[in-house]
Amino acid sequence: DADVTQTPRNRITKTGKRIMLECSQTKGHDRMYWYRQDPGLGLRLIYYSFDVKDINKGEISDGYSVSRQAQAKFSLSLESAIPNQTALYFCATSSALSGANVLTFGAGSRLTVL
Amino acid sequence: DAKTTQPNSMESNEEEPVHLPCNHSTISGTDYIHWYRQLPSQGPEYVIHGLTSNVNNRMASLAIAEDRKSSTLILHRATLRDAAVYYCILKGGAQKLVFGQGTRLTINP
Repeated sequence: DADVTQTPRNRITKTGKRIMLECSQTKGHDRMYWYRQDPGLGLRLIYYSFDVKDINKGEISDGYSVSRQAQAKFSLSLESAIPNQTALYFCATSSALSGANVLTFGAGSRLTVL
Repeated sequence: DAKTTQPNSMESNEEEPVHLPCNHSTISGTDYIHWYRQLPSQGPEYVIHGLTSNVNNRMASLAIAEDRKSSTLILHRATLRDAAVYYCILKGGAQKLVFGQGTRLTINP
């Protein structure tokens, strides 16, 4: 099993629908992140969480919300999806014990909003 | 967050060394230099990181300039599997990593 698991891997939805992308990890890391990647571009940070009760906005948090249900789970929600949220979404984890903050990424969730 | 500058693309031949440059002129004294790569249809994966001294691991070497304003990722003997987008990133005080657009590396057989 993968260390960082994202579900669903692919999702097609319609404008205005509520969507949740889920991330779970078995690495025992305390820190979790959600990134978005658009075609031909690098990754942009949406939200990050350093602990269960800690939630922080990243570069592009508008239109998104997150929930850290447990240390191992971090979900990303789009309350009312719009077409420009069509992208590849990555979850990542890291450990505060690692001074270098090395990230481990999931395989990605491809979201298409029609 | 300090920024990095990388060439958009590079090309090399299989079994030859590859030197991927990165400029980070606004780096602060406590910023680590990280490199990640993203293979086609996969999430990014960690390659190497360093602070001041050159670093080696099983995947690559990282050469850091004495003034730390630039660094070079070295793949000693490229294979077709090394074709990917390579990201040079500075880890800032907030401990989150901000990705740029990276360098798309093409390896010719």
